[in-house]
Amino acid sequence: LAKTTQPISMDSYEGQEVNITCSHNNIATNDYITWYQQFPSQGPRFIIQGYKTKVTNEVASLFIPADRKSSTLSLPRVSLSDTAVYYCLVGARLLNTGGFKTIFGAGTRLFVKA
Amino acid sequence: DVKVTQSSRYLVKRTGEKVFLECVQDMDHENMFWYRQDPGLGLRLIYFSYDVKMKEKGDIPEGYSVSREKKERFSLILESASTNQTSMYLCASSRDRGPQRDTQYFGPGTRLTVL
Repeated sequence: LAKTTQPISMDSYEGQEVNITCSHNNIATNDYITWYQQFPSQGPRFIIQGYKTKVTNEVASLFIPADRKSSTLSLPRVSLSDTAVYYCLVGARLLNTGGFKTIFGAGTRLFVKA
Repeated sequence: DVKVTQSSRYLVKRTGEKVFLECVQDMDHENMFWYRQDPGLGLRLIYFSYDVKMKEKGDIPEGYSVSREKKERFSLILESASTNQTSMYLCASSRDRGPQRDTQYFGPGTRLTVL
C-alpha cells in the first residue's frame, strides 16, 4: 500500500485557488488516487479520483504528473464553506482473504478566511 | 445519488448495554464498512463486508461485531458498551470496482456517548 504524505494544514482566503499536493512515491501500477473532503461532524465525501494526467469535475481538478509519484488537488475560488479536512488516498491494502482495507491518513486541514 | 443512512444521529447509552447501529445503502453496493473517528486518531476501520453474510475484521474489531443479512443493510453491534467506545461511528459503502479504485460513500455518522 502506497504511503501518502500531505501537509497537515493550509490557510487560504476566499476567492483564491487552493492547491493541495500529496506525495505517494510507492504508488503501484494499478492504484488510483482518490480525494475525499470532510466537514466537521460529517462523514467524508468523495471529491475526485484519477489515474493519470488531469481529471476535472464540478468541484475540483486533479493533476497527476507522468511519474504518478504525486498528485495535486486544485480547488478553484474557494469560499468559507470549503473549510474542511481533505484526504488523499492511494490504492488499498489487500488481504489474504480477498478483501481490502482502505487507509485514511491524517489529511490536510484547510482553513479559508474571509 | 448514492444515499447511505444511519439509524441515529446521536445516541446515549449506559455502560454494559448492548447497542445496535444500523446502516442502509440504496445503491446495491457490494462493499460496506464501519469506521470510528476520534480526535487525533483519524478514521479507523472496525469491520467491513464485501458480500452478504461475509465480514472481515478491520484494525480495531475488539468489542464489536457486525451483521449483514441483506445486501443493503450492515449493522454494528456493541456487545457490552464501555465508555471508551464513546465516538463518532461512520458507515460507508462502495461498488466492487477493485480495491485500487474503491470509492466509498459515507453516511452522516452516529455520535455515540456511553455513560
